[in-house]
Amino acid sequence: GDSVTQMEGPVTLSEEAFLTINCTYTATGYPSLFWYVQYPGEGLQLLLKATKADDKGSNKGFEATYRKETTSFHLEKGSVQVSDSAVYFCALSGIYNQGGKLIFGQGTELSVKP
Amino acid sequence: GAGVSQSPSNKVTEKGKDVELRCDPISGHTALYWYRQSLGQGLEFLIYFQGNSAPDKSGLPSDRFSAERTGGSVSTLTIQRTQQEDSAVYLCASSSLAGGSHEQYFGPGTRLTVT
Repeated sequence: GDSVTQMEGPVTLSEEAFLTINCTYTATGYPSLFWYVQYPGEGLQLLLKATKADDKGSNKGFEATYRKETTSFHLEKGSVQVSDSAVYFCALSGIYNQGGKLIFGQGTELSVKP
Repeated sequence: GAGVSQSPSNKVTEKGKDVELRCDPISGHTALYWYRQSLGQGLEFLIYFQGNSAPDKSGLPSDRFSAERTGGSVSTLTIQRTQQEDSAVYLCASSSLAGGSHEQYFGPGTRLTVT
């Protein structure tokens, strides 16, 4: 079945460092791909998405490119801030998933130190 | 506009008791989803509603779990004879599915603790 694997955390960075969180997926066909973020004490929020190969999703300085050849959707940010400290979830919605249920990776906790 | 709301925000119950968790989706969203977030299992899909029907119940972990949706709006997730392994945060999400979008909007969750 469809699945998502993302790098384990926690990841600790200094402010202004470059961030990469790896995400790879297994799915039939071409799923839609998402990054969700969960800030401390808050609910899940959609960060960015891409619905077809080579699409780049971007938001709040974060980017991820849908790579069909490597079945990946790595999250990047050029300069992280303390306020980016959160748990990040990679997710997919497979084309054969009735109604678009999301399949999530395990989550990666990011801690940014001043 | 108003987002997805869930109640209660926290629920502590004794093992063996029944609990009901409520979700109010975004107005006009036809699709509604329940997920469970726990330390050991991460984020797991439970059930999906389109309108009042549930075409996908594949994630419900046992027959102690059931859910319904009425009027194409509010949904209730019921857990009967709760067990300690049911302790988790239960998340509800809704989507309009407009234009084929699968973007889901999540509520704040209900933290369930079974003692």
